[in-house]
Amino acid sequence: GAGVSQTPSNKVTEKGKYVELRCDPISGHTALYWYRQSLGQGPEFLIYFQGTGAADDSGLPNDRFFAVRPEGSVSTLKIQRTERGDSAVYLCASSSRPGLNTGELFFGEGSRLTVL
Amino acid sequence: GDSVTQMEGPVTLSEEAFLTINCTYTATGYPSLFWYVQYPGEGLQLLLKATKADDKGSNKGFEATYRKETTSFHLEKGSVQVSDSAVYFCAPNAGNNRKLIWGLGTSLAVNP
Repeated sequence: GAGVSQTPSNKVTEKGKYVELRCDPISGHTALYWYRQSLGQGPEFLIYFQGTGAADDSGLPNDRFFAVRPEGSVSTLKIQRTERGDSAVYLCASSSRPGLNTGELFFGEGSRLTVL
Repeated sequence: GDSVTQMEGPVTLSEEAFLTINCTYTATGYPSLFWYVQYPGEGLQLLLKATKADDKGSNKGFEATYRKETTSFHLEKGSVQVSDSAVYFCAPNAGNNRKLIWGLGTSLAVNP
């Protein structure tokens, strides 16, 4: 597609459930990033992929969070045993420039997760 | 540690007013500097950037100059429009891994 696509746009779940959020980056972009954003805050880095591999996962808050990008394109962020504190907008971004030494990212519109 | 401080919002202006949103940063290394904008209901998008001292980034009438001596990257626009209403984020890339460091964002509302 023309831009970064994220699905679902909204997800409401119950505490303790498992959630998957999907990101389809701009075609040809090798770098893919996941962030999350709480109300009134800036984006918080979660994980960065270069191709299929996670080059930096230092932002994942705990082992309930996991992300994959098996074919170097679409990525899925997986959250196990969701907690109310996981409620946020999860943002995906892609870039044509490898490495974190860049700031020119293209963002999707985000997936709003609400954990009841 | 690396950090960004942005002018607190919300900022409310009348159409055609002059805009300044202040941004100062603390960053290891020699960062590139970015302003991102988030329009209502839309994703973040890059507004402008500067990669070295004294560079001026510009786009859509907005400008910001990389001031290394004051570690600042203030955003300016001479005449704002209603369509500029959005949240603006200043973000240097910094540190050994050059990640973007995000400020809290500054909300701008422009009234007709």
